[in-house]
Amino acid sequence: RKEVEQDPGPFNVPEGATVAFNCTYSNSASQSFFWYRQDCRKEPKLLMSVYSSGNEDGRFTAQLNRASQYISLLIRDSKLSDSATYLCAVNDLDGGGYNKLIFGAGTRLAVHP
Amino acid sequence: EAEVAQSPRYKITEKSQAVAFWCDPISGHATLYWYRQILGQGPELLVQFQDESVVDDSQLPKDRFSAERLKGVDSTLKIQPAELGDSAMYLCASSSPDRGETYEQYFGPGTRLTVT
Repeated sequence: RKEVEQDPGPFNVPEGATVAFNCTYSNSASQSFFWYRQDCRKEPKLLMSVYSSGNEDGRFTAQLNRASQYISLLIRDSKLSDSATYLCAVNDLDGGGYNKLIFGAGTRLAVHP
Repeated sequence: EAEVAQSPRYKITEKSQAVAFWCDPISGHATLYWYRQILGQGPELLVQFQDESVVDDSQLPKDRFSAERLKGVDSTLKIQPAELGDSAMYLCASSSPDRGETYEQYFGPGTRLTVT
């Protein structure tokens, strides 16, 4: 089983729709979770951090379910500009006590008119 | 807004040649990461520095890859010799907090490497 798993999509949705992605993780000790947005052939850009049960920023809401070991990203009122790949990242503490991030392969979102 | 700088942005090289990438993290960020991202996959950590020290290079192919951060600021990643399978995006990221704390990583624009 992969450490961080995401549905690759693509999710094809019309403008104005609400869409949600899930990301499952295997390490129950993970404490920090992140959603990154990545446009084609560009670098990942931090979208949201999730340290407790959830976080909300405008049209974007991230939630954490520790019992089932997944985080979700909800996008309301989708815009054409939301079309991108959404990467989930989960922190992992190595033996030396240093944080590192494990990334999922990403979920592709395509918003159409 | 402070950014992570990387150069070059694009590099085409022939197999068996040497190639080097440079990264300058956000000022004051003690932790620096090099990732490799193959098309359709998420970034994979190659090496992590805390100041000038390597703290994780478990996924770095050490027979051909090397990385250094001599003064604890900017960093260089080298591949010698390059192989066809090294074609990928090489991303540098940096973060601020000390070990063991929660943190956020910020990425540079990446270097897209094509090996022919």
